[in-house]
Amino acid sequence: GENVEQHPSTLSVQEGDSAVIKCTYSDSASNYFPWYKQELGKGPQLIIDIRSNVGEKKDQRIAVTLNKTAKHFSLHITETQPEDSAVYFCAAPGTGNQFYFGTGTSLTVIP
Amino acid sequence: DAEITQSPRHKITETGRQVTLACHQTWNHNNMFWYRQDLGHGLRLIHYSYGVQDTNKGEVSDGYSVSRSNTEDLPLTLESAASSQTSVYFCASKASENTGELFFGEGSRLTVL
Repeated sequence: GENVEQHPSTLSVQEGDSAVIKCTYSDSASNYFPWYKQELGKGPQLIIDIRSNVGEKKDQRIAVTLNKTAKHFSLHITETQPEDSAVYFCAAPGTGNQFYFGTGTSLTVIP
Repeated sequence: DAEITQSPRHKITETGRQVTLACHQTWNHNNMFWYRQDLGHGLRLIHYSYGVQDTNKGEVSDGYSVSRSNTEDLPLTLESAASSQTSVYFCASKASENTGELFFGEGSRLTVL
């Protein structure tokens, strides 16, 4: 299956600063890369995704960039707020309809 | 509103017992998945199904089984629970291969003593 690596495992930022989380994947045929946010005690929820024919996608304060040559993609959160504190997961598709996830990044935004 | 529900939310069991975790979705999604979440490992795929009577093994399928007798349900069975299976289990469903959005349940925390 796909091998997804995610860094860092923990990240603390001051409120208002930016946060960046990076992932790499192994299967060059992968063409869709979602990011999920998991709040305490809940299941993960999709926050943004990017397809392989796009290099960058933005949605308000969050953006995702994709470098297919290097096989890595990143999540950028600008002007962080306390409610951004959560665990974030990147994912990449397998050969079928399933997804493989990174190990997660615990983001803490310090007020 | 359509939803995906898991039960029980919390369970404590003993080594060697059989345990079944239920997952029910009302979206009529063909694709359903089971993941386990452990610190340092993220979400790991256990089993998945693309439709009724279809089941497939994921990354960490040993000691687990699933069955898909209808579209709405994908129960996960631990045949003989082991302490290494203490974890939080998440069920998820997805509409089609053209969209990647997985809809997750709230999770089932299983403790094997």
